[in-house]
Amino acid sequence: DAGVIQSPRHEVTEMGQEVTLRCKPISGHDYLFWYRQTMMRGLELLIYFNNNVPIDDSGMPEDRFSAKMPNASFSTLKIQPSEPRDSAVYFCASSFRASNQPQHFGDGTRLSIL
Amino acid sequence: QKEVEQDPGPLSVPEGAIVSLNCTYSNSAFQYFMWYRQYSRKGPELLMYTYSSGNKEDGRFTAQVDKSSKYISLFIRDSQPSDSATYLCAMSKAAGNKLTFGGGTRVLVKP
Repeated sequence: DAGVIQSPRHEVTEMGQEVTLRCKPISGHDYLFWYRQTMMRGLELLIYFNNNVPIDDSGMPEDRFSAKMPNASFSTLKIQPSEPRDSAVYFCASSFRASNQPQHFGDGTRLSIL
Repeated sequence: QKEVEQDPGPLSVPEGAIVSLNCTYSNSAFQYFMWYRQYSRKGPELLMYTYSSGNKEDGRFTAQVDKSSKYISLFIRDSQPSDSATYLCAMSKAAGNKLTFGGGTRVLVKP
């Protein structure tokens, strides 16, 4: 089975630009998570969805960040406008709660804001 | 104080040695405990997944959970250079729920 697929793998853009990160969860999984990883703060949860509905967005740093899950196969994380301090690796993960299975991660998007 | 504490290392061991990793946590509500391995420029890969206290063994890996001490461990026997990576502990209050991660321990296994 295909794992969690994220795109793009790398993104370099200038401050102020809009950035959109994409995620395709594992087929059949009903939970989707967005994390951010930095050297200083480690892995932090930004937001998670259950059956396409946002459940907890308390980790979203500012209004500049938004996430959507229009269907069970796709989610986006958008930053507008982007700032240099948003530079990090962003991970998407998915899980299937009904079977008590843990989260499986994609390989991340490495974002650099110049 | 962070909810989950993990020594950042690096931990350097010779090939064939036992690698011992651990995390402490403060929130007694955590019920599910995981260890992930992360290679450079890759996503975390699940190694071990346990519920509540006890031991679990899978090949060269053994995970231990002591909820009374709020302490979890991962042991890697017969370590290989390919085990060189960052190891992250993670825990959650419910299955499928959001994870709280330790900062990760970097491990280097020298041939």
